[in-house]
Amino acid sequence: EPEVTQTPSHQVTQMGQEVILRCVPISNHLYFYWYRQILGQKVEFLVSFYNNEISEKSEIFDDQFSVERPDGSNFTLKIRSTKLEDSAMYFCASSVGQGGYEQYFGPGTRLTVT
Amino acid sequence: KNQVEQSPQSLIILEGKNCTLQCNYTVSPFSNLRWYKQDTGRGPVSLTIMTFSENTKSNGRYTATLDADTKQSSLHITASQLSDSASYICVVTPAYGNNRLAFGKGNQVVVIP
Repeated sequence: EPEVTQTPSHQVTQMGQEVILRCVPISNHLYFYWYRQILGQKVEFLVSFYNNEISEKSEIFDDQFSVERPDGSNFTLKIRSTKLEDSAMYFCASSVGQGGYEQYFGPGTRLTVT
Repeated sequence: KNQVEQSPQSLIILEGKNCTLQCNYTVSPFSNLRWYKQDTGRGPVSLTIMTFSENTKSNGRYTATLDADTKQSSLHITASQLSDSASYICVVTPAYGNNRLAFGKGNQVVVIP
């Protein structure tokens, strides 16, 4: 069964460094998402992406964050200058459509900022 | 603001026993309500989905109910197994606007032998 994959599974970085989290969505899906989950808290929406542009972003998704679909398969989240509070699990998701269509989540990347 | 509240926050149950998890939401109108299972360190996986017109939906030992009038949903786990230890997240999709999913914080279930 097709699934969303994410790499790396765990990333440790120093404060101020740039990180790129990678995702390979399910191949026939058109909508892509990034979420984060700080330890012990609920999953939070970051950004949605469709037709090679951001369709929506949350208040969390500030200028430090960017997303890109550099080729036909990868979907990346870049954090330019990491802060301690960026430490979280980052989940990528994809869906065929919006609204009632199921979003399929990847296994997540645990980002630890020291 | 679209809110999803879940209770209890956590519970411990004996293997083989049943349990019921609660979800209260304010999202209205909504497109659908899903229950996800999230194993530790993994991404959420959808268990059930219900539209506003559905009252119940089953997936094996998992049965979800929905009362759109009181804006409440429950997830019942029958004959629990050790593999049911996970966080169960209630997620509501608004019908209008940005369709941004509204997540609950999750019910942490621990099944012990």
